[in-house]
Amino acid sequence: EAQVTQNPRYLITVTGKKLTVTCSQNMNHEYMSWYRQDPGLGLRQIYYSMNVEVTDKGDVPEGYKVSRKEKRNFPLILESPSPNQTSLYFCASSKQGWGGYTFGSGTRLTVV
Amino acid sequence: AQSVTQLDSQVPVFEEAPVELRCNYSSSVSVYLFWYVQYPNQGLQLLLKYLSGSTLVKGINGFEAEFNKSQTSFHLRKPSVHISDTAEYFCAPGPYSGAGSYQLTFGKGTKLSVIP
Repeated sequence: EAQVTQNPRYLITVTGKKLTVTCSQNMNHEYMSWYRQDPGLGLRQIYYSMNVEVTDKGDVPEGYKVSRKEKRNFPLILESPSPNQTSLYFCASSKQGWGGYTFGSGTRLTVV
Repeated sequence: AQSVTQLDSQVPVFEEAPVELRCNYSSSVSVYLFWYVQYPNQGLQLLLKYLSGSTLVKGINGFEAEFNKSQTSFHLRKPSVHISDTAEYFCAPGPYSGAGSYQLTFGKGTKLSVIP
């Protein structure tokens, strides 16, 4: 089944403890992206990647890192999480040609 | 660059009534247009898309949307809603600039509540 898989689905962590949210797609998509969703603010893009080893900042990149060493994987790294990073995170991928995005099921992160 | 406005943050509607969710966008280039739906506690799912051709596009679950270039709108409609349509709906324009451009800009969402 064609899909974007995020792990974990739920995560509670403490301020300052490094964490990684994984994202993997099995559709050979070139493009991958991370969004955070907050009430009243909709989806805001954190980082995106046009292809392997090509990444760029979105609208809210502060406090996040990404890497794209393989085409299928696009992990989101929080080096020192803070409570304002408590949010619902989505990974998405797309193939060149604009079929639209395929989204993962989301990761609900709580930083205490 | 483009921006998108979803004119209603919440829309309550009675079951079997028609509904229209409004979306306006601004862009300096031609766009592709998408509507996504997010059911409670789930990820976003593509509802329908306009890439080219007929300005009236049909999507899943009986939804349709009409692209109006002169009014820069892409309103979503359904003639008769069901309880299961209760969800949040996101409009998303993306620039048409050939291969290599994938950026979608998402609206802030419209929460549709269907009342029995």
